[in-house]
Amino acid sequence: AQRVTQPEKLLSVFKGAPVELKCNYSYSGSPELFWYVQYSRQRLQLLLRHISRESIKGFTADLNKGETSFHLKKPFAQEEDSAMYYCALIPGAGGTSYGKLTFGQGTILTVHP
Amino acid sequence: DAGVTQSPTHLIKTRGQQVTLRCSPKSGHDTVSWYQQALGQGPQFIFQYYEEEERQRGNFPDRFSGHQFPNYSSELNVNALLLGDSALYLCASSLRDLPGEQYFGPGTRLTVT
Repeated sequence: AQRVTQPEKLLSVFKGAPVELKCNYSYSGSPELFWYVQYSRQRLQLLLRHISRESIKGFTADLNKGETSFHLKKPFAQEEDSAMYYCALIPGAGGTSYGKLTFGQGTILTVHP
Repeated sequence: DAGVTQSPTHLIKTRGQQVTLRCSPKSGHDTVSWYQQALGQGPQFIFQYYEEEERQRGNFPDRFSGHQFPNYSSELNVNALLLGDSALYLCASSLRDLPGEQYFGPGTRLTVT
């Protein structure tokens, strides 16, 4: 079974401070990991995926297979980063549950001015 | 392109009734997934449709069923509604070979009284 855990329901930081949103997962195979974000009054949208190793809006996330983690980081938080963030996992191609996207509970990030 | 659209926006039903929710995918997408999101929780995968067939299914009872049409649009049907079925129902579309990169609709808020 696949599971995603986001241990912090709420996270508050001040503008300009570093931010790290934690995500741990359990899956026996090789998963693909994603971060989704939902800004106020907007729909859920993809932020980034581990495969592309990209930086989106200053955010990066590294897949640590040894610690089964995929933490989201940004060195200098901005007020517009305030949103709900979800970590999500999908089994890799060839897995029996390929196509089944599993979300964590989400972390509400608030960036204070 | 309006992206993923869902109808209706809100729905109030009585326990025991049946409900049908509708979804139109983003232009060019061929795969539709449905999620249930209870208050304060992350989206939970219900099932995914591709080529008019259910490709993956989450841990939901048979009361939850779906359909995909030749134009890739989809319906979610829930029979014998329970109070616990009250939730936001999200539809997401993707390409078959990129199932983790999903585009979400605004959701349908279902209230069962």
